[in-house]
Amino acid sequence: KAGVTQTPRYLIKTRGQQVTLSCSPISGHRSVSWYQQTPGQGLQFLFEYFSETQRNKGNFPGRFSGRQFSNSRSEMNVSTLELGDSALYLCASSPTGQTSSYEQYFGPGTRLTVT
Amino acid sequence: QQQVKQSPQSLIVQKGGISIINCAYENTAFDYFPWYQQFPGKGPALLIAIRPDVSEKKEGRFTISFNKSAKQFSLHIMDSQPGDSATYFCAASVRGATNKLIFGTGTLLAVQP
Repeated sequence: KAGVTQTPRYLIKTRGQQVTLSCSPISGHRSVSWYQQTPGQGLQFLFEYFSETQRNKGNFPGRFSGRQFSNSRSEMNVSTLELGDSALYLCASSPTGQTSSYEQYFGPGTRLTVT
Repeated sequence: QQQVKQSPQSLIVQKGGISIINCAYENTAFDYFPWYQQFPGKGPALLIAIRPDVSEKKEGRFTISFNKSAKQFSLHIMDSQPGDSATYFCAASVRGATNKLIFGTGTLLAVQP
């Protein structure tokens, strides 16, 4: 099976702009989670989508949003970009939404630079 | 209480040696503890994971030891190889929040030939 794919891999944006990142989960996986990775804060959970519904949310401002489509593909959007939003954004997919399965598989990430 | 504390921050081990990374937590609602390995420019890759009802789990050269009463768990890499040089993250998943992983701060492992 193909792994988790994320597009684009690299992105440069200007402060104040908005950005949309895309994630295609492993075939058959219905849960998609997003994480932000920075040198200062490490890996932080943004949100999780399952069956097109946001199931869990981390402690990020409302400028960070996401959605999931019927084919399980997911997008996340960051509006009014700030310099501190520069990070590696990682998407992870999971085989099932049932509590018995916790394995998450990460994509390569999208490196966002805000100037 | 949601934190997972990881140590050491960095570790240098000789080839063939044992690498040991430790993590501690406070939240007793955590019920799943995975370890991830990350190489530069790549996303984290799941190495091995454990549940609180098991004290040890071994997969190849990787072993998780879990001490529920002390709320601590550790990763042991036996016969460490230069190819194991990477950043390792412990994580925990909260019961009822299936895929919401709380990560430790990471350990940069360097295995010297």
